[in-house]
Amino acid sequence: QSALTQPASVSGSPGQSITISCTGTNSDVGGYNYVSWYQQYPGKAPKLIIYEVSNRPSGVPDRFSGSKSGNTASLTISGLQAEDEADYYCNSFTSRHTGVFGGGTKLTVL
Amino acid sequence: EVQLVESGGGLVQPGGSLRLSCVASGFTFSNYWMHWVRQAPGKGLVWVSRILPDGSGATYADSVKGQVTISRDNARNTLYLQLNSLRVEDTAVYYCVRDQRVWILDYWGQGTLVTVSS
Repeated sequence: QSALTQPASVSGSPGQSITISCTGTNSDVGGYNYVSWYQQYPGKAPKLIIYEVSNRPSGVPDRFSGSKSGNTASLTISGLQAEDEADYYCNSFTSRHTGVFGGGTKLTVL
Repeated sequence: EVQLVESGGGLVQPGGSLRLSCVASGFTFSNYWMHWVRQAPGKGLVWVSRILPDGSGATYADSVKGQVTISRDNARNTLYLQLNSLRVEDTAVYYCVRDQRVWILDYWGQGTLVTVSS
């Protein structure tokens, strides 16, 4: 199972919007709505920020949103804040009843 | 409060074995799918394995199939990961993760570090 494809890094200035893509196949991202996103600070455990493509857990700011088109899911962060600087990972359920993560994207807030 | 506390990590020689444990509290453990996810130093997250609430339906990443075994003891609220034939590339922090529904990894432990080195 190959990792989902994410850009290695993205950057943006405070207040701007950024989008992180996550590309898979028909057997994972494209085949199911079980795509989730995780935020991870250095030395810390990941935190769930989006589940089932576009749903936000309680407590996650509405600046975070998710979507999907075909085999590509996307995470958008609007109104970028300094505290958003972190690593972001997508994850998908697969047709083999396994899971697969993306390679991760480092977000830098300029 | 949901808590997942891993233990059992440490330094092991190549070819050795280790059993990781994860004690759950703050929720009805026997109702939830559970996963193990690992992260090598400076690298990304890698999904390892999942087990269903009754201990059935274990699935594994291709990279670890035949080398690891996931299990659980619902009476002890504990999840396990047996690691065998360890290789240097298995060096990672191993996270115990709760699944809220279907592949919604909503609570993560703090992780336990496994170092494979001679």
